Amino acid sequence: GAGVSQTPSNKVTEKGKYVELRCDPISGHTALYWYRQSLGQGPEFLIYFQGTGAADDSGLPNDRFFAVRPEGSVSTLKIQRTERGDSAVYLCASSADRGGGYTFGSGTRLTVV
Amino acid sequence: QKEVEQNSGPLSVPEGAIASLNCTYSDRVSQSFFWYRQYSGKSPELIMSIYSNGDKEDGRFTAQLNKASQYVSLLIRDSQPSDSATYLCAVNTNAGNMLTFGGGTRLMVKP
Repeated sequence: GAGVSQTPSNKVTEKGKYVELRCDPISGHTALYWYRQSLGQGPEFLIYFQGTGAADDSGLPNDRFFAVRPEGSVSTLKIQRTERGDSAVYLCASSADRGGGYTFGSGTRLTVV
Repeated sequence: QKEVEQNSGPLSVPEGAIASLNCTYSDRVSQSFFWYRQYSGKSPELIMSIYSNGDKEDGRFTAQLNKASQYVSLLIRDSQPSDSATYLCAVNTNAGNMLTFGGGTRLMVKP
């Protein structure tokens, strides 16, 4: 597509529930990144995919967080047993080349109540 | 010490003035440096990249990099109210692709 697409744009869930956030990167971009951003802070790295594999998942805060990219395009970020502290904007980005800047999607605002 | 540091602001400048935004980073082997603009409620938008020491100009924007001092800055000339946003500094701090972001500086341009 023309840009990075993220769905849903907003998600409200109850504490303890499972959520999935979807990212569709720019066509042809092999690198895909997930970040999360809390109010008043910069984006915080979660995980990076190069193709289908997770090249760096060092930013995932704990084992409740998991992400996949089975065909090297669309990625899904999965959060189990959500907690109120997981509330944030989850940003997905993609890039075409190593070391280049990213293009971000519009984000998913997750609210855990 | 944070890996990428920015003054949170707000930095307030009058319309038409030069806005100077600064960023320091801790990893000496960093190779790539970026400035993103983020309007309230929106996602970050890439506005400048710089890879070598010196200045890089693009329209009203100039990025400056000093690797010896581990310092990168963004100058915005002839600031406009539409430039009011949060500016995020991002640094590629390792051999991979991952960018580390600073906390951002909020810029307010007053008419």
